[in-house]
Amino acid sequence: DAGVTQSPTHLIKTRGQQVTLRCSPKSGHDTVSWYQQALGQGPQFIFQYYEEEERQRGNFPDRFSGHQFPNYSSELNVNALLLGDSALYLCASSLGGLAVEQYFGPGTRLTVT
Amino acid sequence: GQQLNQSPQSMFIQEGEDVSMNCTSSSIFNTWLWYKQDPGEGPVLLIALYKAGELTSNGRLTAQFGITRKDSFLNISASIPSDVGIYFCAGQNYTNAGKSTFGDGTTLTVKP
Repeated sequence: DAGVTQSPTHLIKTRGQQVTLRCSPKSGHDTVSWYQQALGQGPQFIFQYYEEEERQRGNFPDRFSGHQFPNYSSELNVNALLLGDSALYLCASSLGGLAVEQYFGPGTRLTVT
Repeated sequence: GQQLNQSPQSMFIQEGEDVSMNCTSSSIFNTWLWYKQDPGEGPVLLIALYKAGELTSNGRLTAQFGITRKDSFLNISASIPSDVGIYFCAGQNYTNAGKSTFGDGTTLTVKP
């Protein structure tokens, strides 16, 4: 039973560039949520995708956008990267749009220089 | 927005000791969750609590949903070296279920 997978593992980008991160949910799950975790802090909710639509959004600017595909996998896009976007980006999957229990992937470590 | 305060920020204990940590919020949550995160990995769900006053165990871990719905507690009994890691609490509300608000974690170090 495959768990949540994320790619790439690490990424280094320059300020102003754009980045795309990818997530495949746990087998049987249909909902994907994205979180940003800065060093020394807890994860912060970015947004959630269910039925290929953004269902909820946290307090993040429009530079952060996403997409969910028919196979439930998801992408997180960040435009015009800032130094402050450096963080671990976590994907969490769950079953059903309102599911409480989420299963996290290992994350993508993004460094913006 | 809602904020969760976890305490203590860090703990250094001897193997075999019991551990207690807690999480408080300025507002009510309908669900409390406890996660553990190891270096280089994502958080792993330990315990989910759905009702005020609920006490739930998972092996040596026991968590409680506070009566006021503004706090939660996690206890670890007879700690072992593999308990080392960062423990996060998280809360959810019915109005935006699926969106977890996390605390900043308690870092646990266990000395053999």
